[in-house]
Amino acid sequence: EVQLVESGGGLVQPGGSLRLSCTASGFTFRSHYMHWVRQAPGKGLVWVSRIESDGSRTDYADSVKGRFTISRDNSKNTLYLQMNAVTDEDTAVYYCARELASGYWGQGTLVTVSS
Amino acid sequence: QSVVTQPPSASGTPGQRVTISCSGSSSNIGSNSVFWYHQLPGTAPKLLIYNDNQRPSGVPDRFSGSKSGTSASLAISGLRSEDEADYYCASWDDSLSGVVFGGGTKLTVL
Repeated sequence: EVQLVESGGGLVQPGGSLRLSCTASGFTFRSHYMHWVRQAPGKGLVWVSRIESDGSRTDYADSVKGRFTISRDNSKNTLYLQMNAVTDEDTAVYYCARELASGYWGQGTLVTVSS
Repeated sequence: QSVVTQPPSASGTPGQRVTISCSGSSSNIGSNSVFWYHQLPGTAPKLLIYNDNQRPSGVPDRFSGSKSGTSASLAISGLRSEDEADYYCASWDDSLSGVVFGGGTKLTVL
C-alpha cells in the first residue's frame, strides 16, 4: 500500500525556518517525481515545488523561489522542504504528493507562521 | 488570481448532471494533461480524472473529463449528496515551469 506521511509542521515565527519531511512507503520512491502542494486555511490548492526522481531537477512557484528548497534522500525514501524566511502568507497545510497522475497524497502537515 | 479559471460555485439536485469548467491557456491546458481532484473538508484531495479523461480505478463512471483547446470540463452525472465537495482542476504550465491549479469550485447538492 502506497503511503506518504508528512511531518515537521508547527508554529514558526515570521522570518524563521522550518523543515518538512515526507516519508514514503509502498512504492519505489527513487523512480518518481515528487511534489509539495499547500493550502492556506479556507483557500484553494497551490503548487509549491517539484523534484525529479533523482533530484537532478527542481522547480518552484514564484512565491517561494529563493526561500524554499526541495530535496530528497532516495536511500531514506524521504522528501524534504526546507522553508526559510517564512511569512504569514506561508501559513498552510502542506501536502506531499507523487506525480499528479498517481493520485497519491499525504494527509498534510500544518505550518503556522505567527509571532 | 489563478492562471487557470474555474467558477467558484456550482449546484445541482440529486440525479442531475452537472459540469464544472476549467479555462486556461496554450501554455497549460492547451498543451498539457488536465487533472481533476475533489476534496472534502479536512481531508487530502482525491484524484478523479488524469490525462484529461482517464479515471483511476475505483472512481465511478459517473465522473468524466473532457478537453477542447485551452478549456477542460468535469461532468458528474447521477448527482449524489456525497458529491458535495470542492473540485479542482490542474495542469502543468510550460511558461511557469510549474503546476497550476484552478481556484476551485464548491459543488452544492441541493
